[in-house]
Amino acid sequence: NAGVTQTPKFRVLKTGQSMTLLCAQDMNHEYMYWYRQDPGMGLRLIHYSVGEGTTAKGEVPDGYNVSRLKKQNFLLGLESAAPSQTSVYFCASSYLRHGSPGELFFGEGSRLTVL
Amino acid sequence: AQSVSQHNHHVILSEAASLELGCNYSYGGTVNLFWYVQYPGQHLQLLLKYFSGDPLVKGIKGFEAEFIKSKFSFNLRKPSVQWSDTAEYFCAVNAFDGGSQGNLIFGKGTKLSVKP
Repeated sequence: NAGVTQTPKFRVLKTGQSMTLLCAQDMNHEYMYWYRQDPGMGLRLIHYSVGEGTTAKGEVPDGYNVSRLKKQNFLLGLESAAPSQTSVYFCASSYLRHGSPGELFFGEGSRLTVL
Repeated sequence: AQSVSQHNHHVILSEAASLELGCNYSYGGTVNLFWYVQYPGQHLQLLLKYFSGDPLVKGIKGFEAEFIKSKFSFNLRKPSVQWSDTAEYFCAVNAFDGGSQGNLIFGKGTKLSVKP
């Protein structure tokens, strides 16, 4: 049972390039999340999804897009990467509990560097 | 908008000392509350969670937390820390406010360093 899998785990981009981070979960969870983690800033929510075909903005959505075409996958896209997007990105998923998420299950993170 | 405050940025303790990490949130309605731990170089792992019921919650590795609704707080405690508890600790809150039940917000974290 893999849980939450993120690919790639490391990536270096040049400013202006685009890329997509893939998150896959095999727990049939309804909720999926993308966070970024920066020193001293904790985890900040970028986008999240409460079910297949739905997405919503979090705290820091600018510069990112997401899609949830299949329940098990949640893609995070950077259309034109900027150095400010250098960060560690964590995907997480959660089950539905009385109309709200339970605890989060995290992937191992993807370290992105934008030069 | 809801927010989560962790007042201590870095806590340094000696082994066997007692620990209390503060967490306050800014929402007056129903909340689910969580504490996560992140060991160096790893992803976040759940320590404990509160959904309802007994406000004193026990988690893994001897940690516990108390939900005090009147103080909007969910402080993490451990009676006697070990060197292996050195990690970063995050409080997280999910507030039930209409259309954003899925929105789960984290505090900025508290680094705990335990001296052997």
